[in-house]
Amino acid sequence: DTEVTQTPKHLVMGMTNKKSLKCEQHMGHRAMYWYKQKAKKPPELMFVYSYEKLSINESVPSRFSPECPNSSLLNLHLHALQPEDSALYLCASSQFILAGGYEQYFGPGTRLTVT
Amino acid sequence: QKEVEQDPGPLSVPEGAIVSLNCTYSNSAFQYFMWYRQYSRKGPELLMYTYSSGNKEDGRFTAQVDKSSKYISLFIRDSQPSDSATYLCAMSIIQGAQKLVFGQGTRLTINP
Repeated sequence: DTEVTQTPKHLVMGMTNKKSLKCEQHMGHRAMYWYKQKAKKPPELMFVYSYEKLSINESVPSRFSPECPNSSLLNLHLHALQPEDSALYLCASSQFILAGGYEQYFGPGTRLTVT
Repeated sequence: QKEVEQDPGPLSVPEGAIVSLNCTYSNSAFQYFMWYRQYSRKGPELLMYTYSSGNKEDGRFTAQVDKSSKYISLFIRDSQPSDSATYLCAMSIIQGAQKLVFGQGTRLTINP
């Protein structure tokens, strides 16, 4: 099973709201990722967690706050977003990144609209 | 110059045709190569991955890597309308944290 699940599927939020995106995988993968994808563009890396520790932050604004509560879960907390943050937010996971298994498996995404 | 170049298309072919999708790259340190298929408004689905030069086959799909030319390809045989999607190549350096570098994606339509 190579499934990554994401909730919610769709989210509409105002610029003053606080919301969270959730991602879950049960493949035993120890690296998890958040990506942002705009229409007709490839995914753009935001954050990487390896062994529940933040290992890459691609200079993402602080209005996006990631959290990895355990090896299966990844959250993205959203606060005071801008309309230009509207996009498809994708979660991905891969095996232990220093021992092979570099391919990443993506979830279906959360389509976020900021009004 | 982008690290990974991929023709965005659109590419339109008749059903049953052989489709060839390609990416070139400039960073010789890339060692791991992936192809993803993405349907509209869905997440990317991993189709093929390969480490090192050569061919890898899975059903109607064949991935080819030529490191000497810095060129990778995905071939789809007996193409079906359900293959209509955007195809993304991705590659990475196997060192430390994992960052994928994506091509721009090629939009493919298979006409019945």
